[in-house]
Amino acid sequence: DTEVTQTPKHLVMGMTNKKSLKCEQHMGHRAMYWYKQKAKKPPELMFVYSYEKLSINESVPSRFSPECPNSSLLNLHLHALQPEDSALYLCASSQVLDSSYEQYFGPGTRLTVT
Amino acid sequence: AQSVSQHNHHVILSEAASLELGCNYSYGGTVNLFWYVQYPGQHLQLLLKYFSGDPLVKGIKGFEAEFIKSKFSFNLRKPSVQWSDTAEYFCAVNAANSGYALNFGKGTSLLVTP
Repeated sequence: DTEVTQTPKHLVMGMTNKKSLKCEQHMGHRAMYWYKQKAKKPPELMFVYSYEKLSINESVPSRFSPECPNSSLLNLHLHALQPEDSALYLCASSQVLDSSYEQYFGPGTRLTVT
Repeated sequence: AQSVSQHNHHVILSEAASLELGCNYSYGGTVNLFWYVQYPGQHLQLLLKYFSGDPLVKGIKGFEAEFIKSKFSFNLRKPSVQWSDTAEYFCAVNAANSGYALNFGKGTSLLVTP
């Protein structure tokens, strides 16, 4: 199983809403990532978890709050987002947090903030 | 500063034409190099990767890439494209033995016409 799954596929939320994105992998990977991809742009790294601990926060606003409840799950909690946060949010995982290991990407959640 | 450049933002080819997409990087030290593809409405998939060894690497779906260290390049090639190759192609780089975050190029949108 080389699959990273993400739910929901699409999400529309108002600026006062609280929602969460979910990512799951069962490959035994111990590094998980959140990326943000705007239309026709490359993915941009947001957060990195290694062994369920936050390793990297790429200066992401606090309205985005990641959580890694166990080695298979990665959540991204959203609160008080802005319309410019509308994008495709990608989750990825790799065996460990090392540049030599391939990152496997999920299909993404397409988020629209109204 | 570390950067990845893809020369062609939009490429249109007829079926059976040959493809070459350029990728240059600016990094100090040893790098790992990747090409990812994103088919319309689908998630990012790894086409091929280079870590070390033979600079000519073969990937899935008939793609190959050549690492030319002296030119800081990792160009993607396919001898004969098919309509199903229509997609967005991203070159990505990370620093070997350190770093983990994939630094993506801006992408090349390929349209293959019948």
